[in-house]
Amino acid sequence: EADIYQTPRYLVIGTGKKITLECSQTMGHDKMYWYQQDPGMELHLIHYSYGVNSTEKGDLSSESTVSRIRTEHFPLTLESARPSHTSQYLCASSHRVGATDTQYFGPGTRLTVL
Amino acid sequence: AQKITQTQPGMFVQEKEAVTLDCTYDTSDPSYGLFWYKQPSSGEMIFLIYQGSYDQQNATEGRYSLNFQKARKSANLVISASQLGDSAMYFCAMRERINTGTASKLTFGTGTRLQVTL
Repeated sequence: EADIYQTPRYLVIGTGKKITLECSQTMGHDKMYWYQQDPGMELHLIHYSYGVNSTEKGDLSSESTVSRIRTEHFPLTLESARPSHTSQYLCASSHRVGATDTQYFGPGTRLTVL
Repeated sequence: AQKITQTQPGMFVQEKEAVTLDCTYDTSDPSYGLFWYKQPSSGEMIFLIYQGSYDQQNATEGRYSLNFQKARKSANLVISASQLGDSAMYFCAMRERINTGTASKLTFGTGTRLQVTL
């Protein structure tokens, strides 16, 4: 199992604030991902990273940005939060072993923007 | 583009009984992987089981087994001897390669909410 951590677990913030959601993993996985999930709905990929200094946008357009300066750390930033950003954000990491590239998820951050 | 379909929004099962959660998929890539994740009300996604497209045998992990029917493009999850703690959302997902890189993404279905009753 992967050890992957996300902070904060819950965040309630006002419109216009800048926020950073933290994600860290201790397994040395090279690949990391951010997914967005509305309540009771499927997950959508918003960002991913192959490794240090590599970031790409996912399927779902997002106003957030990410960085990958260290292997273990993949923070997500919203420069100006809006109510439409209210959602759950899940971070995941993976490392290919043979034919398998299983993604392991953190506990998620539930963001509410008022 | 690939697609994952879970047609059961909700399922009920009695404790100690077996239950099958349906998943069908669509892809043109001959190499793919299928995953099942469990999401309790606390929100985390817990990896349950994996099946590779070239695997000859159905995957099993404890009480979980994956009924993989490649020709029908289905990958149903079977939970045997259900327990109250199995009550959760269950998501089927398929791994798709991204561009030409080594990363892959998961495409998720809409999930099935399983409720285990006494």
